[in-house]
Amino acid sequence: AQSVSQHNHHVILSEAASLELGCNYSYGGTVNLFWYVQYPGQHLQLLLKYFSGDPLVKGIKGFEAEFIKSKFSFNLRKPSVQWSDTAEYFCAVGVYGGSQGNLIFGKGTKLSVKP
Amino acid sequence: DADVTQTPRNRITKTGKRIMLECSQTKGHDRMYWYRQDPGLGLRLIYYSFDVKDINKGEISDGYSVSRQAQAKFSLSLESAIPNQTALYFCATSDPTSGYTDTQYFGPGTRLTVL
Repeated sequence: AQSVSQHNHHVILSEAASLELGCNYSYGGTVNLFWYVQYPGQHLQLLLKYFSGDPLVKGIKGFEAEFIKSKFSFNLRKPSVQWSDTAEYFCAVGVYGGSQGNLIFGKGTKLSVKP
Repeated sequence: DADVTQTPRNRITKTGKRIMLECSQTKGHDRMYWYRQDPGLGLRLIYYSFDVKDINKGEISDGYSVSRQAQAKFSLSLESAIPNQTALYFCATSDPTSGYTDTQYFGPGTRLTVL
């Protein structure tokens, strides 16, 4: 069965620090990859997604992610975080032609940014 | 107006009670999903529906049932609520794209507490 691993449960950074959140998945076929963000008390919102083409994907609010097929990874990055980036971040994988067409979510990484 | 709405937003109930959570969407999407979110566990799929006549069990369907009343409406029922069903419940929708798993759009969530 496919699975998604997010390496860090809780990351604490100071404002202006750089961010990298790890995401690895287990599936050998074609995948769609997503990062969602959940701000405190809110629902999940799409940050960025990768379907095909350039493996470096840019999303909203200065976030980007790089798909490295050989490493089964889709790490999320931001050069300089802000206090408003405090949220929980979820990586998700969808498989091409999968029987469910569903997303499999990682367990999430909570990011706390200190002002 | 929100594209995906959920009612109620908060609910406290007692063990053994029947509870229905409702989801409506105006996005015109065929696919709808119910997830539950627990701290440290991420999102887990309960049920999903690819159209009005298609209902499928997800990862954790035991103790839950669903009804797809129309393209726009997808309800989740707990026939006899138990305390470990205390969680945050999210509805989501998506539109399939050529065999790929497309972006899912989430509702605001229902916080359910079972005493």
